[in-house]
Amino acid sequence: EPEVTQTPSHQVTQMGQEVILRCVPISNHLYFYWYRQILGQKVEFLVSFYNNEISEKSEIFDDQFSVERPDGSNFTLKIRSTKLEDSAMYFCASRGLGVSTDTQYFGPGTRLTVL
Amino acid sequence: AQSVTQLGSHVSVSEGALVLLRCNYSSSVPPYLFWYVQYPNQGLQLLLKYTSAATLVKGINGFEAEFKKSETSFHLTKPSAHMSDAAEYFCAVSASGGGADGLTFGKGTHLIIQP
Repeated sequence: EPEVTQTPSHQVTQMGQEVILRCVPISNHLYFYWYRQILGQKVEFLVSFYNNEISEKSEIFDDQFSVERPDGSNFTLKIRSTKLEDSAMYFCASRGLGVSTDTQYFGPGTRLTVL
Repeated sequence: AQSVTQLGSHVSVSEGALVLLRCNYSSSVPPYLFWYVQYPNQGLQLLLKYTSAATLVKGINGFEAEFKKSETSFHLTKPSAHMSDAAEYFCAVSASGGGADGLTFGKGTHLIIQP
């Protein structure tokens, strides 16, 4: 069964450094999302991406964040200058066409630790 | 705008007992509602979804949920709990099944199964 994959599973970085989190969505999907979950808190929507541009973004998704689909398979989240409060689990999700057009499929997440 | 309230951050039931996890939503438009499960150190897996068809929705692993518009609820139930059901459960709402809408999640309910 097709699934969303994410790399790395765990990323440790120093405050102020740039990080890129990578996702490979399900191959025929057209909508892509990033969410984050700070430890002990709920999952929060960051951004959605469709047709090579941002469709929606939350208040959390400020200028330090950016997303890109650099090729036909990867979808990346870049955090330009990490802060301690960026430490969280980051989930990628994708959604496609067909029977389950209303369902977002989530990857296993990348745990980001900012020191 | 949408919001989700999950009553009870922790629910403990005995193996074989009924599982009831509560979810109430707020939405300005007819909602699409989802339950996701998160096992330790894993991503989010879709359990079931309501998308304006039948109000009683059956999902995987014996779970079901009933959409009650008058009560703005979408509670998750399972007749007989199994040890493998121990996990974090998230209720989520979307304004539509299409487009690039992000999901709005509740804070989650940690289900504990007592032997």
